[in-house]
Amino acid sequence: AAGVIQSPRHLIKEKRETATLKCYPIPRHDTVYWYQQGPGQDPQFLISFYEKMQSDKGSIPDRFSAQQFSDYHSELNMSSLELGDSALYFCASSPGTGGLITEAFFGQGTRLTVV
Amino acid sequence: GQNIDQPTEMTATEGAIVQINCTYQTSGFNGLFWYQQHAGEAPTFLSYNVLDGLEEKGRFSSFLSRSKGYSYLLLKELQMKDSASYLCAVRDQNQAGTALIFGKGTTLSVSS
Repeated sequence: AAGVIQSPRHLIKEKRETATLKCYPIPRHDTVYWYQQGPGQDPQFLISFYEKMQSDKGSIPDRFSAQQFSDYHSELNMSSLELGDSALYFCASSPGTGGLITEAFFGQGTRLTVV
Repeated sequence: GQNIDQPTEMTATEGAIVQINCTYQTSGFNGLFWYQQHAGEAPTFLSYNVLDGLEEKGRFSSFLSRSKGYSYLLLKELQMKDSASYLCAVRDQNQAGTALIFGKGTTLSVSS
């Protein structure tokens, strides 16, 4: 079965550079979530989109932005990178289904290292 | 605000039963989820509860008490491969796109 696809899997950037992470949700999933997970930490929610509109916002820094496109894929844009941005970035998707409970399916993550 | 608490670490032996507790305080409640995560890998879905009671799924069961803000994940017949982090997560609203908020996870070590 198709899963959530994230690219790239690994990324190395220097301080103050920019990075773009991509997420392709499971087909027919219209909701995308972005999480940041530092070493030994729990996943921290950054931002989510439903039907191409931002639906929930967590601890996303102002240096980061994200959007969901017409094909439902999403991109997380990160600027002025800092050493502390080094982490695993997970994307998850779920069908929107209004208020019904659905689990979120996670991609394999992008490991960002800022040097 | 939201607060989700789990024990940091637990140890158990192969074949045993272990219970991982989770307590939560959230502004609303629209489901509690358990995920398993091996180091460096994506969290994988184990179970969810939205009504009080026990949900059983093979070797895994999850219990919820909404009035107590309490859940547990029960793992039976433990195997070495069950060594992982177990994350409790809550969705606090019923609107589409509302994110799961995770606890800090419980690292379970299974020994032979």
